[in-house]
Amino acid sequence: AQSVTQPDARVTVSEGASLQLRCKYSYSGTPYLFWYVQYPRQGLQLLLKYYSGDPVVQGVNGFEAEFIKSNSSFHLRKASVHWSDSAVYFCAVSDNNNAPRFGAGTKLSVKP
Amino acid sequence: NAGVIQTPRHKVTGKGQEATLWCEPISGHSAVFWYRQTIVQGLEFLTYFRNQAPIDDSGMPKERFSAQMPNQSHSTLKIQSTQPQDSAVYLCASSLDVETLYFGSGTRLTVL
Repeated sequence: AQSVTQPDARVTVSEGASLQLRCKYSYSGTPYLFWYVQYPRQGLQLLLKYYSGDPVVQGVNGFEAEFIKSNSSFHLRKASVHWSDSAVYFCAVSDNNNAPRFGAGTKLSVKP
Repeated sequence: NAGVIQTPRHKVTGKGQEATLWCEPISGHSAVFWYRQTIVQGLEFLTYFRNQAPIDDSGMPKERFSAQMPNQSHSTLKIQSTQPQDSAVYLCASSLDVETLYFGSGTRLTVL
């Protein structure tokens, strides 16, 4: 069965600082990996996804994530955060047939 | 495209009452998913349909919860004899397959 662990429930960074949100997954096959973002009072939106190929994938708004198979990780990164990036970020894993399973989420707060 | 529509936005029930939540997926999407979001548990998978057929309901509590998709334009999640621990935001999502999910804004269920 697939599962996702996001070890950090809350992360606070200053505006302009770099960011890494951690995600570890458990899946026996080749995973499909996703990051979704939930802005206040909005539904979840896809940030980026990885299926195969280049392990570093680019998403919207300057976000990127790197798939490291040996570490079962798919951490999300951004070089310089903006106050508008404050949101809850969810990592998810699936395959071609099963519904995605999500982590518990990481609430990001960006200090001005 | 109105996106995934969930109704009602908020529902308050008394303990022991029934609650029915509605979801209208994006037209043309063949897969519909239900998730439950709480502070403690994060985003829990409940069930999903593909082409109206139930595919995986492994996340559904065995008693009191049921989901149906009678036609391609809507799905319902019914909770019988609601309990305070059922209080959560229930999210519906649709997809062309099981890859990118498009989420509705959710129904916030409060059981008094």
